[in-house]
Amino acid sequence: DIQMTQSPASLSASLEEIVTITCQASQDIGNYLSWYQQKPGKSPQLLIHSATSLADGVPSRFSGSRSGTQYSLKINRLQVEDTGIYYCLQHYSAPWTFGGGTKLELK
Amino acid sequence: QVQLQQSGAELVKPGTSVKLSCKASGYTFTSNHMNWIKQTTGQGLEWIGIINPGSGGTSYNVKFKGKATLTVDKSSSTAFMQLSSLTPEDSAVYYCARARVMNFWGPGTMVTVSS
Repeated sequence: DIQMTQSPASLSASLEEIVTITCQASQDIGNYLSWYQQKPGKSPQLLIHSATSLADGVPSRFSGSRSGTQYSLKINRLQVEDTGIYYCLQHYSAPWTFGGGTKLELK
Repeated sequence: QVQLQQSGAELVKPGTSVKLSCKASGYTFTSNHMNWIKQTTGQGLEWIGIINPGSGGTSYNVKFKGKATLTVDKSSSTAFMQLSSLTPEDSAVYYCARARVMNFWGPGTMVTVSS
């Protein structure tokens, strides 16, 4: 199985700060990488697909990038509503696998 | 608009089975695959499998083979997941999610396995 190592596990940041979350794939997954945000008691919501493409309706302060097998989610100018848990997902090779999650809180 | 409506919470006894549903609306049901995902506090998110509603073709995570069975009813635009031989380790929230990129998720169904 492809392992997705996500870091950090938790993160506390200030309003308007720039935040970066990374996922390291254990092997090549191409651009088959998505990012999701989950709020307490809610289902995950797609933010980024194909490593760098913004999902419909997602604010432009979110962006995704790739460097080899490392993938990053960047949030520019952190807002209150950005708190939650973030997950990456590889859907290149079955079984598709999620990262362990990053809990983002406001400082 | 796309909606995935999942069935209500289940409290079931060990050793029994349960069948969860995910009713799709707002799009052509057969044009997108449907995933099922398990979420527990300890294990995070786990992909169970995927079904092609048009053909009925499935792909499972080996970990869930024999545990989960995915089916669809095209006439009602509903996807189903049956979980069998339930144990307390199957207690979780189960989500359905549309398409390979999981661009829409249902609200989840909580399954509690307890005697």
